Amino acid sequence: DAGVTQSPTHLIKTRGQQVTLRCSPKSGHDTVSWYQQALGQGPQFIFQYYEEEERQRGNFPDRFSGHQFPNYSSELNVNALLLGDSALYLCASSLFYNEQFFGPGTRLTVL
Amino acid sequence: GESVGLHLPTLSVQEGDNSIINCAYSNSASDYFIWYKQESGKGPQFIIDIRSNMDKRQGQRVTVLLNKTVKHLSLQIAATQPGDSAVYFCAENMAGGTSYGKLTFGQGTILTVHP
Repeated sequence: DAGVTQSPTHLIKTRGQQVTLRCSPKSGHDTVSWYQQALGQGPQFIFQYYEEEERQRGNFPDRFSGHQFPNYSSELNVNALLLGDSALYLCASSLFYNEQFFGPGTRLTVL
Repeated sequence: GESVGLHLPTLSVQEGDNSIINCAYSNSASDYFIWYKQESGKGPQFIIDIRSNMDKRQGQRVTVLLNKTVKHLSLQIAATQPGDSAVYFCAENMAGGTSYGKLTFGQGTILTVHP
């Protein structure tokens, strides 16, 4: 079992650009959650997907959107990037509301 | 609102000592608490969890204590090893309602274990 995988590992973008991050959940998991972790801070919940629908959302602007595919993998899209969007983006998968397993994250740098 | 915080941002111990990491939470509706370990360059790794109907739970070398009266959570690591050096986060998860499944993390404590 490969666990939760994320791609790419690192990404550099400029302000105003758009970015798409990808996540493949752990085998057997059907729920994907996305978190943003700024340097020196704890992860902050962005949103959660289940059955291809956004089930919950944290306090993030509409520039942050996502999608879940029939195979349970997920994408996080961020439009009109700001410098403050620079962070480690973590994906976590779970079987419904059970324990969440985290991936290694994607390090996004916005210049 | 929902918030989870930590008393100590850093903790330095000698190998073999016991470590205690503390966490305060403010939401009395929280039902489920989790401790995560995060090593440099990696995502958070599950250590141990506890539900609000319990006050203590033990794992391998780790114990989590929950005091709902004062809204306090602690993680005890026995015989701390250099491999335990990492950032430790507590997180809460509310039961039911619209917030279930949303983890709220604290700031984190940096644990450094000296050989």
